Amino acid sequence: QKEVEQNSGPLSVPEGAIASLNCTYSDRGSQSFFWYRQYSGKSPELIMFIYSNGDKEDGRFTAQLNKASQYVSLLIRDSQPSDSATYLCAVRGEKLTFGTGTRLTIIP
Amino acid sequence: DAGVIQSPRHEVTEMGQEVTLRCKPISGHNSLFWYRQTMMRGLELLIYFNNNVPIDDSGMPEDRFSAKMPNASFSTLKIQPSEPRDSAVYFCASRYSGGAIDEQFFGPGTRLTVL
Repeated sequence: QKEVEQNSGPLSVPEGAIASLNCTYSDRGSQSFFWYRQYSGKSPELIMFIYSNGDKEDGRFTAQLNKASQYVSLLIRDSQPSDSATYLCAVRGEKLTFGTGTRLTIIP
Repeated sequence: DAGVIQSPRHEVTEMGQEVTLRCKPISGHNSLFWYRQTMMRGLELLIYFNNNVPIDDSGMPEDRFSAKMPNASFSTLKIQPSEPRDSAVYFCASRYSGGAIDEQFFGPGTRLTVL
């Protein structure tokens, strides 16, 4: 079992709809959870982080964490074409471990 | 700040040649990370340094890979000899470990192609 698992996609979402990205992790001792966005040919950039169970909202982005289920998700409301990118889930246990990413395409 | 600087941005070499990738972290950051990204394996941590000292090199694939950080503003990742399976994008990232947010800032990456 991979330490951090994501559906590779591609995930296609109509413009204006909600995009839902999911991530599961294996290390129950993990304390911090991150979502990075990576545009094609570019480097990853941090867009959200969450440390506690529940939801955390920042603009159109909401991160959700459920430690009991070892599950973290990212919701993007009112999806825009500029949100088309690969989204990497990262989990900090002893070190920061990245998932392989989900490729998201917003369809105008 | 200029952000994390990496050079070269692209490198094409032949199998068996030595390759050296370079990184300048953000000034004031005390942790530096080297990652490798491929389609199949995603983003993998190779090695990281705290205060110029290598802390975890368990991700270095084999003895052909070596990394150094002689001072707080410079690090190198060397592959000798290179092989076609080393072809990937290599990212350097840095962070300030005493910050409130555990955020790593990535450089633009070096795209390595070994023929």
